[in-house]
Amino acid sequence: DGGITQSPKYLFRKEGQNVTLSCEQNLNHDAMYWYRQDPGQGLRLIYYSQIVNDFQKGDIAEGYSVSREKKESFPLTVTSAQKNPTAFYLCASSINGGVSNQPQHFGDGTRLSIL
Amino acid sequence: GQNIDQPTEMTATEGAIVQINCTYQTSGFNGLFWYQQHAGEAPTFLSYNVLDGLEEKGRFSSFLSRSKGYSYLLLKELQMKDSASYLCAVRDQNGGATNKLIFGTGTLLAVQP
Repeated sequence: DGGITQSPKYLFRKEGQNVTLSCEQNLNHDAMYWYRQDPGQGLRLIYYSQIVNDFQKGDIAEGYSVSREKKESFPLTVTSAQKNPTAFYLCASSINGGVSNQPQHFGDGTRLSIL
Repeated sequence: GQNIDQPTEMTATEGAIVQINCTYQTSGFNGLFWYQQHAGEAPTFLSYNVLDGLEEKGRFSSFLSRSKGYSYLLLKELQMKDSASYLCAVRDQNGGATNKLIFGTGTLLAVQP
């Protein structure tokens, strides 16, 4: 079945450590997105990529990095510069990155906590 | 600025009808999406509105008034499994020709027997 797979489901980070969250899609979608979800707040966009080998900062990119070397993969690294990383991280994809009626489809998320 | 407002919580009874409102103030408008999210799970797409009026999909309908910056999601014949958060998301013109969305904080709906 086609879909978006995020791993791991739960992740713990030590102080000063970088961690990478995986996001893989087999929907043949061009565009991919990373969001952060905190209690009482809406989803906030971290980074997005409209096409392979290209990505753009979202609203809260500081302390995060991404790569888009393959169409199906968009890993997110939470660096030690991100001082408040505890959150639920959601990856999404859409057929293309343009304006259309095509929705974004989401993975099941990764919950990151600080040790 | 950009702002999307939804009620934080709502309660309704099984079998009843509930309306979840969303008002938005954004730099232009290029479409509005509704998603359902059960706790700890992925948001799932429910509906899309870009023109004024009502879009119906089974038990769920969504309405849009662009002049009022207003949308609602209508859920009929409520079932216990409809207990979830409902997210309103707007694509504004600040995103240019992209599919970037601005999300509201979500409305947590509790369906009671």
